[in-house]
Amino acid sequence: NAGVTQTPKFQVLKTGQSMTLQCAQDMNHNSMYWYRQDPGMGLRLIYYSASEGTTDKGEVPNGYNVSRLNKREFSLRLESAAPSQTSVYFCATLSGSALAYEQFFGPGTRLTVL
Amino acid sequence: AQSVTQLGSHVSVSEGALVLLRCNYSSSVPPYLFWYVQYPNQGLQLLLKYTTGATLVKGINGFEAEFKKSETSFHLTKPSAHMSDAAEYFCAVTPSGGYNKLIFGAGTRLAVHP
Repeated sequence: NAGVTQTPKFQVLKTGQSMTLQCAQDMNHNSMYWYRQDPGMGLRLIYYSASEGTTDKGEVPNGYNVSRLNKREFSLRLESAAPSQTSVYFCATLSGSALAYEQFFGPGTRLTVL
Repeated sequence: AQSVTQLGSHVSVSEGALVLLRCNYSSSVPPYLFWYVQYPNQGLQLLLKYTTGATLVKGINGFEAEFKKSETSFHLTKPSAHMSDAAEYFCAVTPSGGYNKLIFGAGTRLAVHP
């Protein structure tokens, strides 16, 4: 099992360009998440999806859109990239039962916006 | 608002010394509590968690943490540090409103020197 996979691993964009970060999971989890990680700020939630067909804003949604394509895939789109979006982006899933409650993380996408 | 505070953004210990990483949270209801570890250029890996039951929980690599409700704390300890423990550690909690996402602390970078 691959767990949570993300593509690409690295990306450099110019200001104003758009791109989509892809995330896929083979864990059969209902909930999926997008975080950004910046030095000294921990992980901040951008968007999440509790189930196929639903999405909700997190702490820092401005400048991003998401699509929950199906149960396996959850993509994050930057329509017009800004230097402030330079960050490391992590996708995660959630096993939500009380005894097995855990978030599983992908390896991350390192994005630089020039 | 729900928050997680990790005291000390950087902690340095000698190999063989006690590791103590502090985490305090604010919540009006007992949360689920987690410690994750991140090695350089990798995703986050679960170290240990508290959901229900015994308040002293043991995790991987010899780490343990104790949930103290009266102190709203969940400090991470390891009796004897190894060089391989050098990493960034994140404390996370479920918010007061439910168990469908996590709120992360800013992280503590642990350095282990010979």
